Amino acid sequence: EIVMTQSPATLSVSPGERATLSCRASQSVSSNLAWYQQKPGQAPRLLIYGASTRATGIPARFSGSGSGTEFTLTISSLQSEDFAVYYCQQYNNWPPRTFGQGTKVEIK
Amino acid sequence: QVQLVESGGGVVQPGRSLRLSCAASGFTFSSYGMHWVRQAPGKGLEWVAVIWYDGSNKYYADSVKGRFTISRDNSKNTLYLQMNSLRAEDTAVYYCARDLYDFWSGYPRGVFDYWGQGTLVTVSS
Repeated sequence: EIVMTQSPATLSVSPGERATLSCRASQSVSSNLAWYQQKPGQAPRLLIYGASTRATGIPARFSGSGSGTEFTLTISSLQSEDFAVYYCQQYNNWPPRTFGQGTKVEIK
Repeated sequence: QVQLVESGGGVVQPGRSLRLSCAASGFTFSSYGMHWVRQAPGKGLEWVAVIWYDGSNKYYADSVKGRFTISRDNSKNTLYLQMNSLRAEDTAVYYCARDLYDFWSGYPRGVFDYWGQGTLVTVSS
């Protein structure tokens, strides 16, 4: 099973600043990497797939990069609605699909 | 618009069974692979199972293999999860989710583009 490790666990950022979240896979997943946002009491929302493709309706301030085992989600200028937990997830080979443990982005 | 509505959650004793349902609308249900994903209280996300658009393939997480069964009824636009031999560690919010890739894209990849609101399953004596 591919293990996904996210860092940091918590990121404290001021509104308007850039946030950079990291995700590492225990073995190569090529570009088969997705990012999700989850707010309290809500279902997750797909942000990025294919490591760098924004999902429908996702603002351009969200961008993804990386391939193989190292990936990054960047939020260029944090808005109030962006404070949430972010998960990376690999989808390289069936089964299973595995998620990272999450990074909480909180207001500094 | 795409809607996924789960039902069937509740409190159940260890060792007992429960069946979850997910009613889909707003898209051609029979063209998409579907998943169950769960989240224990205060914890992260765990993928549980997938079923191909026509039910021809199913995969499970090791933690539920042999105890849970995913199925679908395309005539009713409904996804199911039969959960047997439930354990305390199965306590979670269970989400159904649609795969991003439809039949015309080949096969489900395990990217979840639409999610239901979730249904809580509590396994406790």
